[in-house]
Amino acid sequence: DADVTQTPRNRITKTGKRIMLECSQTKGHDRMYWYRQDPGLGLRLIYYSFDVKDINKGEISDGYSVSRQAQAKFSLSLESAIPNQTALYFCATSAPPADEQFFGPGTRLTVL
Amino acid sequence: KQEVTQIPAALSVPEGENLVLNCSFTDSAIYNLQWFRQDPGKGLTSLLLIQSSQREQTSGRLNASLDKSSGRSTLYIAASQPGDSATYLCAVESTGNQFYFGTGTSLTVIP
Repeated sequence: DADVTQTPRNRITKTGKRIMLECSQTKGHDRMYWYRQDPGLGLRLIYYSFDVKDINKGEISDGYSVSRQAQAKFSLSLESAIPNQTALYFCATSAPPADEQFFGPGTRLTVL
Repeated sequence: KQEVTQIPAALSVPEGENLVLNCSFTDSAIYNLQWFRQDPGKGLTSLLLIQSSQREQTSGRLNASLDKSSGRSTLYIAASQPGDSATYLCAVESTGNQFYFGTGTSLTVIP
């Protein structure tokens, strides 16, 4: 079984809809991250969380919100989706001190 | 803000050749540097992690080096195989525990 799972794997939605992407991990890591990947721009950090009570904005948090429901679960929400949020979204985990990152398989989101 | 650059953006080599991928970063105050492999439409697979106090790491045919003072890392792949074809990404963990990624090098190994 995969250590980091993401649901859904693919999603097509319409402008203005609210959507939630979910991430679960069995690695026992405290740190979790949400990234988006766009062609030519690489991966950019949206939000990160170092424990259940710690949430931090990343480089591109506008238009997104997150919830850390438990050590193993970290959800990303788009309150009102817009077409330029069409991208590949990745969840990742890590643990100090090495902080090696482990990624989920990604969610391909299309906003029409 | 940390900027991470990977050159070249694409590379094509014949099978069996040794090759080097480059990664540079603008702020030398990093905690670690990590190399990943990404296959089309897939997630990222961790290849090697180099802590800021280390100079290199090796795993099988892969060797990654880090020169923090000059803001450079290289990933050396020995005896390349068609199965090595993928996009290779480097990422640095900077101040504030934020990670910054390069845009990757797309590698094609020709049989």
